[in-house]
Amino acid sequence: EPEVTQTPSHQVTQMGQEVILRCVPISNHLYFYWYRQILGQKVEFLVSFYNNEISEKSEIFDDQFSVERPDGSNFTLKIRSTKLEDSAMYFCASSDTAPNQPQHFGDGTRLSIL
Amino acid sequence: RKEVEQDPGPFNVPEGATVAFNCTYSNSASQSFFWYRQDCRKEPKLLMSVYSSGNEDGRFTAQLNRASQYISLLIRDSKLSDSATYLCVVNGDPPGKLIFGQGTELSVKP
Repeated sequence: EPEVTQTPSHQVTQMGQEVILRCVPISNHLYFYWYRQILGQKVEFLVSFYNNEISEKSEIFDDQFSVERPDGSNFTLKIRSTKLEDSAMYFCASSDTAPNQPQHFGDGTRLSIL
Repeated sequence: RKEVEQDPGPFNVPEGATVAFNCTYSNSASQSFFWYRQDCRKEPKLLMSVYSSGNEDGRFTAQLNRASQYISLLIRDSKLSDSATYLCVVNGDPPGKLIFGQGTELSVKP
C-alpha cells in the first residue's frame, strides 16, 4: 500500500537554529498538508498546499514557517529560528483528488528543541 | 464550544465488549467526517469515513447526524488490538483543514 514517508524520524536542534522537515507524499496525490502534535495535546493543522501554493494556513503558521515543493516528489517544512515551544511531532499528510477526501499521514518527525 | 469535542475517556473494557464513542462538532458547514486511530506516539491512521447514511466496516459502525452535529463510532466484539486513541476528525470549511478532537483512549483488557 502506498504511504507517505517522512525524514528524519527524530531531529534534535539547538534553539535559534533552522530545521527542514522532509516528506514524500503518495505519488498520485495532489493535496499536501503539515500538522503538528505537541506531547499530550491534539493534532493541529498548520498548512495546506495545492498546485504549488499555500491554500490555507493556521495562526500557528507564521513567518517562522515556510513550505516548499522543490521537485516532483518532496514536500518540505522549514522552521526558522526555532523556539522551545516548537518541540512537537510534525506530521505530513496528503490526499488525492479533492481536499474533502481522507488524508493519509506519514509516521512523523519528532522535533526536539534544546 | 470546542470545534470538535469527544468523550474524555479513558474507556477500559474487556475483550468482546461493545464500546461506543461520541463526538460533536461546532461548524454546521463541515462536509466530511472521519474516525482515525492513533497508537501511542504514532501517526493518525484512517479508520473510516463517516457518511450521513451511516456506514459499517466489519466490527466498526459509524453514524453521522447532521442536524445534531453529532458523530458516533461503535466497536463490536472488541479485540486487544483495538487498544488505541480514537480521534474524531472533521474537515473544515473550506475543506482541506482537518480539525481533530482531543481523542478518546480505549484500553481492551483480556
